[in-house]
Amino acid sequence: AQSVAQPEDQVNVAEGNPLTVKCTYSVSGNPYLFWYVQYPNRGLQFLLKYITGDNLVKGSYGFEAEFNKSQTSFHLKKPSALVSDSALYFCAVRGAWGGKLQFGAGTQVVVTP
Amino acid sequence: KAGVTQTPRYLIKTRGQQVTLSCSPISGHRSVSWYQQTPGQGLQFLFEYFSETQRNKGNFPGRFSGRQFSNSRSEMNVSTLELGDSALYLCASSPTGGYTEAFFGQGTRLTVV
Repeated sequence: AQSVAQPEDQVNVAEGNPLTVKCTYSVSGNPYLFWYVQYPNRGLQFLLKYITGDNLVKGSYGFEAEFNKSQTSFHLKKPSALVSDSALYFCAVRGAWGGKLQFGAGTQVVVTP
Repeated sequence: KAGVTQTPRYLIKTRGQQVTLSCSPISGHRSVSWYQQTPGQGLQFLFEYFSETQRNKGNFPGRFSGRQFSNSRSEMNVSTLELGDSALYLCASSPTGGYTEAFFGQGTRLTVV
């Protein structure tokens, strides 16, 4: 079975400071990992993915994520947060054989001016 | 390229009724998945269709069903609605599933009264 854990319900950060949203996963075999963002009453927007290759993945809106196989983690990062980054962030995993996309519980990011 | 389109955006139904939700995927995408999002349970996978065949199924009762047409458009149906079915229903499309990212529609907000 595959699973995703986002240990923080909410992350608070001041505008201009670095932002990190944590994610750990469990899956058999090599994982496909994804980050999505959701704004109120909207669908999910794709930010970035890790399939293979470099452990540091760059995505949309200045976000990046670091894949760590030994720690089974895929943390989302942004060097300088904006107020507009305030939203709900989801980490997701899918096994290499396909199957459903398993989402974490989500982390609410609040960026204060 | 047009995104994933879900109709209707909002729906109010009475307990015991049935409802059909529609999803038009991105052109060329053959995989369509459905998710239920609630504050308490988060994002839960309902089912995935690929080339008109159900490829994966989540742990939902048989009242939840779906289908996919030859043009990849998909519908999901919920019969005998219960109050607990009130949720945001999200549709996602991807070219093949697997390592390809899924693109989400804005969702259908279903309220059961």
